[in-house]
Amino acid sequence: DVKVTQSSRYLVKRTGEKVFLECVQDMDHENMFWYRQDPGLGLRLIYFSYDVKMKEKGDIPEGYSVSREKKERFSLILESASTNQTSMYLCASSATNEKLFFGSGTQLSVL
Amino acid sequence: QKEVEQNSGPLSVPEGAIASLNCTYSDRGSQSFFWYRQYSGKSPELIMSIYSNGDKEDGRFTAQLNKASQYVSLLIRDSQPSDSATYLCAVNSGGYQKVTFGTGTKLQVIP
Repeated sequence: DVKVTQSSRYLVKRTGEKVFLECVQDMDHENMFWYRQDPGLGLRLIYFSYDVKMKEKGDIPEGYSVSREKKERFSLILESASTNQTSMYLCASSATNEKLFFGSGTQLSVL
Repeated sequence: QKEVEQNSGPLSVPEGAIASLNCTYSDRGSQSFFWYRQYSGKSPELIMSIYSNGDKEDGRFTAQLNKASQYVSLLIRDSQPSDSATYLCAVNSGGYQKVTFGTGTKLQVIP
């Protein structure tokens, strides 16, 4: 069965902390994505990667960075967490752009 | 900014009725269109994709696309309480791996 695993379901951090969100897929997909989902704003693309060590900015990359050292792993990094980064973070992967497989999400609270 | 617009709802329909969900998009160059279903507290999952004008049927679900009007819809026949969820319209606007989501329509099927 297809699986995208996000390391934490809930996370609470302090403002200014460096935060790592990890995502692992077991489907050998080339493409991986990080979205955040907020009420009334829907899903917004932060970053995506179409190959190892490759990354592209999405619609809202400010305050975030990413790392993809291995094909199966895509990490989202908040260099200095702020309260406006409190959100649900969803990782997804795809072989083509036809179907996105989502992880279960990480609800991040920044206090 | 390429946009995907949906009515947030909630759309309430009685059990057994047809639910009609609508979506408009701004980019005429869009090529691929998707409907995702998201249950409360869960991740989105793909239920339909459509690429050419007309209708595409899959069981109780029918996706309809009209590129001239920049309009895509999802019909759910014989609606069941288990169909109660938020339905997300997503559009690939031709940019590499860039899928833009609407904010979703919440559907409530009343037994």
